[in-house]
Amino acid sequence: GAGVSQSPRYKVAKRGQDVALRCDPISGHVSLFWYQQALGQGPEFLTYFQNEAQLDKSGLPSDRFFAERPEGSVSTLKIQRTQQEDSAVYLCASSPTGVFNYGYTFGSGTRLTVV
Amino acid sequence: DAKTTQPPSMDCAEGRAANLPCNHSTISGNEYVYWYRQIHSQGPQYIIHGLKNNETNEMASLIITEDRKSSTLILPHATLRDTAVYYCIVRAMNRDDKIIFGKGTRLHILP
Repeated sequence: GAGVSQSPRYKVAKRGQDVALRCDPISGHVSLFWYQQALGQGPEFLTYFQNEAQLDKSGLPSDRFFAERPEGSVSTLKIQRTQQEDSAVYLCASSPTGVFNYGYTFGSGTRLTVV
Repeated sequence: DAKTTQPPSMDCAEGRAANLPCNHSTISGNEYVYWYRQIHSQGPQYIIHGLKNNETNEMASLIITEDRKSSTLILPHATLRDTAVYYCIVRAMNRDDKIIFGKGTRLHILP
């Protein structure tokens, strides 16, 4: 597709439930990023992939958060045993490596509400 | 990466030029200035970037001071659709890792 696609667009989870959020980056983009955005705040970095390699996961807030990109394209962010503080918009971005000048392309995000 | 300082909010009348300032007094010689914006319910959108020369594209102009310690993003003829949060980011050359966002400036375009 022409842009970064994220699904679902909205997700409501009961506290303690596991969720999986999907990101389809732009075809051919090597780098993929996940961000978490709480209401009224700027996006906070979670993790970064280059192809299938997870090069930076320093932003993952706890071991309940796990991300993968097994074939170097689609990525999934999984949150286990969701808590109310996990409620946020989860954004995915991609970029072609080495072409940093053009910036990153973001998806519209998945809004997760934990009740 | 160097930190940036932006006003939390600004108003601009529709049709006028919107001038959004950003201070980045600790910027290093190899760091670019990037601007992104985030319209409600959307992901951030790349606008423009520059190193030391002024830049212009179809969306905006970027004016960087000679000492590179501050910059201004200019939307020449603001429309209601320009209402968004604008983020100023400084970032080293040849970096392909994370972007660090601050709180940005919430720009309100007034009809």
